[in-house]
Parts: sequence; structure tokens; C-alpha cells
Amino acid sequence: AQSVTQLDSQVPVFEEAPVELRCNYSSSVSVYLFWYVQYPNQGLQLLLKYLSGSTLVKGINGFEAEFNKSQTSFHLRKPSVHISDTAEYFCAVSSPSGGYQKVTFGTGTKLQVIP
Amino acid sequence: EPEVTQTPSHQVTQMGQEVILRCVPISNHLYFYWYRQILGQKVEFLVSFYNNEISEKSEIFDDQFSVERPDGSNFTLKIRSTKLEDSAMYFCASSEKVWGIFGPGTRLTVL
Repeated sequence: AQSVTQLDSQVPVFEEAPVELRCNYSSSVSVYLFWYVQYPNQGLQLLLKYLSGSTLVKGINGFEAEFNKSQTSFHLRKPSVHISDTAEYFCAVSSPSGGYQKVTFGTGTKLQVIP
Repeated sequence: EPEVTQTPSHQVTQMGQEVILRCVPISNHLYFYWYRQILGQKVEFLVSFYNNEISEKSEIFDDQFSVERPDGSNFTLKIRSTKLEDSAMYFCASSEKVWGIFGPGTRLTVL
């Protein structure tokens, strides 16, 4: 079984400040890791993904995440946030199994960017 | 860029009624999924579908739910007799390999 823990339900941060959204996962097999963003009243948009290779993954809108296998973490970072980054961010994990994949989501972190 | 589409964007129904939520996955994708998100809660997996059959389903996906790919392009989720607790945002997703592209969702409100 796989699971995802997002430790912070809400993160307020001032505009142009850096931010880190934390994500830890649990899985008994190799994993694929994702961050999705959900803007108010919208669907889920893939921000970035880790499948293999380099542990530092760059995504859209200036976000990046680092896969740390020893700490089972996949924290999301941005060096300078904008008002438009205000959204809910979901960390997710999947494992290849039987040719199909099921994504398990965390509970989400609401990023509130303060002007 | 190809995208997953869902209709309707918002569905209001009376308790006990049947609803069908529709999705058009990305054309060359082979795996299809439904997820739901109850207001204020996390996104939950409902079911995955591959090769015209259910490949996995969660505990939520009971006999009231069914999925179908009726015509090779649409992918539908049917709820036979809706309950108040079925009110949620329902997301369809499709994938070619290892990650899903999600649709914008259908907000289902059961009165």
C-alpha cells in the first residue's frame, strides 16, 4: 500500500518570498511522484513529476521538487512566489502495477500568497 | 496540447436519481480513471479502466457505481441512485503510461 502525507494544511507566505511545501510518502515498492495544483474552482493540473533519473525535477511556473529516497520525501519549492500561485497543491504517488497506475493523493496544502 | 474534457461542468440532481457523468479522454491513452473530491477533502481514487474492463476499484466504488466506454471515445461514470453524500467534484483522468492527465471535473450536487 502507498500513502502520502502533506504535513501542512495551509502555508501563508508573502509575495516574492520563497516557499517549501512538504510531502512525505510511504511505499513498499519503487514510486513515481507528482505534484498537482488546483486553482480555485478548477481541476487538477500537473505541476511536475518524478519518474526516474535526476532527483531534482523542474516543473511549470518556476516550481521544482527534490526526490529524497532516504527521507522518503518530495518537497516542492519555489524561490519567489507570486499572487497567482495562490492555490491548493497536492502531492501524489503511484507505483507501476499490472500495467496500470493508480494515483494516491495527499490531503493538500493551501498556499496563500500575501501581497 | 491534448486535454481531457468532462461534461457537464455542474450537475444538480435529486436524491435517488440516476446521473451519468461524461468524459472524453485523450485519444491515444489506454488507461482511464475516475476520482472524486468531496468539498474540503482530498482527492480519492474511485476506479481504473483498461482494455474495456475495470482494472481496480476502491471501497467507495460500490454497486451504485458503474463505468463504461460506450463508443470508443467517451468514458462514463453512472451513479444509479444518488445519495446526499455523493455530492462532490468528480474528476476523470486518462494516461498513456505512468501519469494521469486530469479533466476539469464535474461538480455533482445531490439535493
